[in-house]
Amino acid sequence: KAGVTQTPRYLIKTRGQQVTLSCSPISGHRSVSWYQQTPGQGLQFLFEYFSETQRNKGNFPGRFSGRQFSNSRSEMNVSTLELGDSALYLCASSRGDRVDEQYFGPGTRLTVT
Amino acid sequence: DQQVKQNSPSLSVQEGRISILNCDYTNSMFDYFLWYKKYPAEGPTFLISISSIKDKNEDGRFTVFLNKSAKHLSLHIVPSQPGDSAVYFCAASARNTGNQFYFGTGTSLTVIP
Repeated sequence: KAGVTQTPRYLIKTRGQQVTLSCSPISGHRSVSWYQQTPGQGLQFLFEYFSETQRNKGNFPGRFSGRQFSNSRSEMNVSTLELGDSALYLCASSRGDRVDEQYFGPGTRLTVT
Repeated sequence: DQQVKQNSPSLSVQEGRISILNCDYTNSMFDYFLWYKKYPAEGPTFLISISSIKDKNEDGRFTVFLNKSAKHLSLHIVPSQPGDSAVYFCAASARNTGNQFYFGTGTSLTVIP
């Protein structure tokens, strides 16, 4: 069974630009969660999508948004990029019918200059 | 506010000995806990989980212990192997919140051959 895939793996953007990251979950998984990892902060929860609906949201500004498609693939968008948005963005998928272990993708390394 | 804390940023253990990684949480609503292992440039890999109805769960060389009254969990690795060298994260969730997990900042384990 294929794992969680994320594209692109690396990205360099300039302040003020916007970016879209993509995540394809494990086949059959309906929940996709997004996390931001920065040095010293661990993984910070951004949001979770289940069956195309946002089910949970963390404490991030509205510049961070996401969506999920009918095939469970998910995208995350960050508008008006700031230097502090430089981080590793991880997505994780799970079956979603209950709280369950999440399986992570390799992440997208975003650098904002 | 860090609801899940891993107070030891690093740990070194001799090969063959026991590794004990600790995690504390503050939210009494948390009732499902996960441990992940992360290698550089990869996403976290699920290791083991425990729900609050148990106080111990084993999977091969990995055992997780949960002390609900102390709001503390620990991961024991016996015997430790050099391939176990990685960063370990604990994560917690309240089942009624779906897949919103709170992660600790990680403990870097080095197993010395």
